[in-house]
Amino acid sequence: EIVLTQSPGTLSLSPGERATLSCRASQSVRSSNLAWYQQKPGQAPRLLINGASTRATGIPDRFSGSGSGTDFTLTITRLESEDFAVYYCQQYDGSPMWTFGQGTKVEIK
Amino acid sequence: QLQLQESGPGLVKPSETLSLTCTVSGGSISISSYYWGWVRQPPGKGLEWIGSRYYTGSTYYNPSLKSRVTISVDTSKNQLSLKLSSVTATDTAVYYCTRLPGYEFDYWGQGILVTVSS
Repeated sequence: EIVLTQSPGTLSLSPGERATLSCRASQSVRSSNLAWYQQKPGQAPRLLINGASTRATGIPDRFSGSGSGTDFTLTITRLESEDFAVYYCQQYDGSPMWTFGQGTKVEIK
Repeated sequence: QLQLQESGPGLVKPSETLSLTCTVSGGSISISSYYWGWVRQPPGKGLEWIGSRYYTGSTYYNPSLKSRVTISVDTSKNQLSLKLSSVTATDTAVYYCTRLPGYEFDYWGQGILVTVSS
């Protein structure tokens, strides 16, 4: 089983700042198999990025994904008030099995 | 617009079977090349994949839950179902119905909180 470790656990930033979230895999993950989600309190997760770097439909371009192998990054260039939430990475390993990271909370500083 | 709606009991007794239904509207659950699945989230915790069913009928489960889980489809009703047997308090969670076009979960239901308690 591939384990995804997200860091930091909590990121305290101000609106307008840049957020950089990390997702590290215990084994190499195909870029096509890596996704990112945003979850706000009381809501279902929302797909932000699939294929490590492709924004899902309707996702603003301030969200970007990058990385390969075991290290992946979600970047939010200029935080807006609605971006404060919990973010999860997720991978598919073909066994087939899907796993999630434990999440990074982006909170207002 | 595709919509997924979970339904079922919000309270289940320990050792009993949790049964949930997901009704899909705005699209067919039989569409080729898609998986349909379930994800859960214990209160205040992260997301856990439970299982996924491919349109061919092939079904895959999280190894940690495999002995207790069954996912099935009723194409006549456009519904996906989840059964989880021998539940304990650790199965208390919000359960989400999801669609997977491949490797990611692109549509989610609103979720249903199921509490396991006597």
